[in-house]
Amino acid sequence: AQTVTQSQPEMSVQEAETVTLSCTYDTSESNYYLFWYKQPPSRQMILVIRQEAYKQQNATENRFSVNFQKAAKSFSLKISDSQLGDTAMYFCAFMSARSGNTGKLIFGQGTTLQVKP
Amino acid sequence: ETGVTQSPTHLIKTRGQQVTLRCSSQSGHNTVSWYQQALGQGPQFIFQYYREEENGRGNFPPRFSGLQFPNYSSELNVNALELDDSALYLCASSPPDSGVGELFFGEGSRLTVL
Repeated sequence: AQTVTQSQPEMSVQEAETVTLSCTYDTSESNYYLFWYKQPPSRQMILVIRQEAYKQQNATENRFSVNFQKAAKSFSLKISDSQLGDTAMYFCAFMSARSGNTGKLIFGQGTTLQVKP
Repeated sequence: ETGVTQSPTHLIKTRGQQVTLRCSSQSGHNTVSWYQQALGQGPQFIFQYYREEENGRGNFPPRFSGLQFPNYSSELNVNALELDDSALYLCASSPPDSGVGELFFGEGSRLTVL
């Protein structure tokens, strides 16, 4: 069974600074997808970034980038130039390629990020 | 374009009762997934519906059931409610051409079981 672990329950960062959220996962599969989702206080979750395991290049979306270490089963999220609107709970998630498109994401426990002015 | 909407936003039930939660998918989205998010935890996959058929199920008992309608709206039904069913229930839809794992979530229905 696959598991996703986020070991940082809470983090804070000053506005305009950089912060890194950690995520590790466990799987015996070689083909899968990893995600970071953001859940602001309004509770509507939003996809931040996606990484395909077969791609060595780390995904980047504007201020958000990942450090994907497949051998270490590590998938961290870096947020550059943090903004107040980045305050949210961040979830790391895993999807097996064998799941097809069943929508079955396995989420970690989440990290609450507070961006301070 | 309206997003995913869920109703009710909050509800309170007592143990043993039954509950129905509703979800209207975003326009053009033909797949809907349901997740349970206990307080302080990450969401857990309940099931997904595609073309009105269940298309994948997580580790939830049969008293959790669902429906998808021709207009792609959906219902989650939970029978014989237990205290541990207290959670935020999230609906997520995705369009036919969505990227893998790209789900569009509603704001959820907060269920409290007393």
